Amino acid sequence: GQSLEQPSEVTAVEGAIVQINCTYQTSGFYGLSWYQQHDGGAPTFLSYNALDGLEETGRFSSFLSRSDSYGYLLLQELQMKDSASYFCSSPMDSSYKLIFGSGTRLLVRP
Amino acid sequence: EAGVAQSPRYKIIEKRQSVAFWCNPISGHATLYWYQQILGQGPKLLIQFQNNGVVDDSQLPKDRFSAERLKGVDSTLKIQPAKLEDSAVYLCASSLDLAGSFYEQFFGPGTRLTVL
Repeated sequence: GQSLEQPSEVTAVEGAIVQINCTYQTSGFYGLSWYQQHDGGAPTFLSYNALDGLEETGRFSSFLSRSDSYGYLLLQELQMKDSASYFCSSPMDSSYKLIFGSGTRLLVRP
Repeated sequence: EAGVAQSPRYKIIEKRQSVAFWCNPISGHATLYWYQQILGQGPKLLIQFQNNGVVDDSQLPKDRFSAERLKGVDSTLKIQPAKLEDSAVYLCASSLDLAGSFYEQFFGPGTRLTVL
């Protein structure tokens, strides 16, 4: 089957760095995206990786290794407002259907 | 730029009743998506439109769910009759085009449905 696996929960301290991992299994590969969702809010796009390597956007970075079917989201200088759920997602196949992982709940402690 | 609009934000109904959700995507976005998000899970795609045509509805329970996007802009999602397991947040999203499915989708605030 096609799936994306993420840890269910991660806890970190304000100001620290945290890494959220995602391993995927899809029939083809068309890139890996990351979304943030605060409780009761809408998912918002964070980043997209089509090729291997690191993409940096401010405090957030995303990494992809296609040979390992693995990616991660790196959050630096954690702030309390970063407490949210983070989802990795990928097109299921060339039909453009996007599938999401079950999400990682990040709790940032003071 | 206005975001994706959805209404209502909350809805409580009895099982076997009907309910409809409305979505207005970002202006100029050709592709529109409806997702179901059950508490503690990631969004699950129900149906995807390109303009007013259906691209994919393979995960839409067609015996009770229907959706339309008649003029290629607004869309409605209907459930008739509702079941207890339909309790979820229904998210609408849009992207500039189908290729945007891969890159970035813009989500609305969702409609939280509770079926009693």
